Amino acid sequence: TQLLEQSPQFLSIQEGENLTVYCNSSSVFSSLQWYRQEPGEGPVLLVTVVTGGEVKKLKRLTFQFGDARKDSSLHITAAQPGDTGLYLCAGEHNNNDMRFGAGTRLTVKP
Amino acid sequence: DAGITQSPRHKVTETGTPVTLRCHQTENHRYMYWYRQDPGHGLRLIHYSYGVKDTDKGEVSDGYSVSRSKTEDFLLTLESATSSQTSVYFCAISESTGFANTGELFFGEGSRLTVL
Repeated sequence: TQLLEQSPQFLSIQEGENLTVYCNSSSVFSSLQWYRQEPGEGPVLLVTVVTGGEVKKLKRLTFQFGDARKDSSLHITAAQPGDTGLYLCAGEHNNNDMRFGAGTRLTVKP
Repeated sequence: DAGITQSPRHKVTETGTPVTLRCHQTENHRYMYWYRQDPGHGLRLIHYSYGVKDTDKGEVSDGYSVSRSKTEDFLLTLESATSSQTSVYFCAISESTGFANTGELFFGEGSRLTVL
């Protein structure tokens, strides 16, 4: 059983549409990270959220950490083909043990 | 890009043979990690190291061993490879631990292992 459940698993949309992907858990995390991974490469960090209720924006990407620090969401406005990739959330389970969700594979069609 | 090199990048081997994957970093980061990535499971931690000769088990450590004799090198060994160990293996490094201390993970490009 995944400690972090991500939904949806797959998402295919047209360029210009908005989307939200989710990362949920029954556990409380001190902080949570979002990574983006392209085919044949390792994941790259997008953001770290630390405080319950925190909202961070990175250009067209908006990240939110739930008030109870058990869940997070990533919203992309006006998606572009360059946003295509695997989006992974990760939370610190125990010290040094970062647990990852299975990811949401996003495809943005031109 | 963080200086992380994994080798080999691709390997095909037979069940029962030993396999060693190498991770080399030029960043002098203290923490090093080995993850495996499988469809539907995401990244799962195998072992990690918090210093030279200091290692600990992760979530899926059975069948794997690691060694770190130098700061820059972290080796992952499959003593007797099995088909269930077919996967993509990622090495990661971190300057500090704990996300609140901005413990960003920097990943290598991965090593694809196929066990026949």
